[in-house]
Amino acid sequence: DIVMTQSPDSLAVSLGERATINCKSSQSVLSSSNNKNYFAWYQQKAGQPPKLLIYWASTRESGVPDRFSGSGSGTDFTLTISSLQAEDVAVYFCQQYYSTPFTFGPGTKVDIK
Amino acid sequence: QVQLVQSGAEVRKPGSSVKVSCKASGGTFSSYAVSWVRQAPGQGLEWMGGIIPISGTTSYAQRFQGRVTITTDESTSTAYMELNSLRSEDTAMYYCARRGPTGAFDLWGQGTMVTISS
Repeated sequence: DIVMTQSPDSLAVSLGERATINCKSSQSVLSSSNNKNYFAWYQQKAGQPPKLLIYWASTRESGVPDRFSGSGSGTDFTLTISSLQAEDVAVYFCQQYYSTPFTFGPGTKVDIK
Repeated sequence: QVQLVQSGAEVRKPGSSVKVSCKASGGTFSSYAVSWVRQAPGQGLEWMGGIIPISGTTSYAQRFQGRVTITTDESTSTAYMELNSLRSEDTAMYYCARRGPTGAFDLWGQGTMVTISS
C-alpha cells in the first residue's frame, strides 16, 4: 500500500496570510504513460463530506478559488492557500489514486491565528 | 446536476450487518466508479472499496476483504455497501464518492453514520 504522510498536523495562520501544507507518498504516483500525478487534495469542513480542491496534483477543480494551488510531483506535494480566508478553516487531506487501495493522508487542520 | 444521496443513520449490535445505500439523484453514475470511504469519529479517511457500475467490477481494500460487499442497481442508479460481522471499531461515518473522469473523487454523498453498540 502507498502510505501518505502530511505535515504539519495543524497550523494557525492570520487572515490574509499564506498557509502551506506538505504531503509525501511512500512511492511515486507519477504515471509514466501520461506524465500525470494521480494525486489530489480535499477540504473537509466540520460536519461536511470532503470536497475535491485539486486533482492531477496541480489542477483546481471547477469553482475552487484561485487562492488554492497545488504543486509537486512524484512523491512530494504541497497545497498552498495564498491568502487565508475565514471560510478556509477546515481539515485538508491529500490522497493518491494511482493504485488501490486509494490512500489518504492523516489530515492537516487549518485554523485562524 | 448529479447528487449522491445516502440512506439514513443506522445503529447495529456487534456481530450484525449493515447495508448503506447511495443514490445518484438527478442523473446516473454513468461509466464512473463509485467508492466507499469511511471516517471514524475525529479520524482520517479510509478507502474501503469501489465498483464500476457498468461492469460490476469490484475492488476491495485488503483489510475489509471478506467482510464488505459493494453492489449497484443500475435500474435505480443506486450503489450499496454491506459490512458484516460488525464490531465497535466500525462505528464511523460512511461516505460514497464518485471517481470522476480525472480519477479523483469529485462527488461525495452526505455521509451515513453507523453506530455499533450493544
